[in-house]
Amino acid sequence: GENVGLHLPTLSVQEGDNSIINCAYSNSASDYFIWYKQESGKGPQFIIDIRSNMDKRQGQRVTVLLNKTVKHLSLQIAATQPGDSAVYFCAENRANQAGTALIFGKGTTLSVSS
Amino acid sequence: EAGVAQSPRYKIIEKRQSVAFWCNPISGHATLYWYQQILGQGPKLLIQFQNNGVVDDSQLPKDRFSAERLKGVDSTLKIQPAKLEDSAVYLCASSPIMGITEAFFGQGTRLTVV
Repeated sequence: GENVGLHLPTLSVQEGDNSIINCAYSNSASDYFIWYKQESGKGPQFIIDIRSNMDKRQGQRVTVLLNKTVKHLSLQIAATQPGDSAVYFCAENRANQAGTALIFGKGTTLSVSS
Repeated sequence: EAGVAQSPRYKIIEKRQSVAFWCNPISGHATLYWYQQILGQGPKLLIQFQNNGVVDDSQLPKDRFSAERLKGVDSTLKIQPAKLEDSAVYLCASSPIMGITEAFFGQGTRLTVV
């Protein structure tokens, strides 16, 4: 089944289920968002991105939804596999004093059981 | 294409000692980031370079941390003197253009201060 809601630090699903990971961002002026996957002992790895002029973007088995009204971002993973087990972070491209910077949100640990 | 290279992978030092981390970004990437990731948290931006200039160091504890990117390519991050709370993974990332595309991360340097 699917798990939908506010940000959760952990999410446990069965193999084959769909997963939904949520993220709230803080700056309404942020114009670019990225979802990263981080496996133990590795650096964050790009999954999918979306610009603020879009509401939805699809990749292979992943979909990102952007709701600018409530400053909310979600990552949907279809047919979750054990290899999807990792920590997932959303990052926003936020304006700073000299341009923009990539700022990370709280992570969600996804555990997939067979 | 080679990824972001970081060294060393691991470092253990005593408090009040000094330590330096090295990063070689992807060739041609103008933007370079250093992040600190404490266990269980998302990466926190310490400093951002655009070529050899600093564009954001507002989160860098400047009394003990320093970073440079002299020729606009490699970068070093130094801590002097280290404190126990500096124990973390230090991630380097690079991006071809600030704020438009994703940042690519290295594997990080895990620092333990004892």
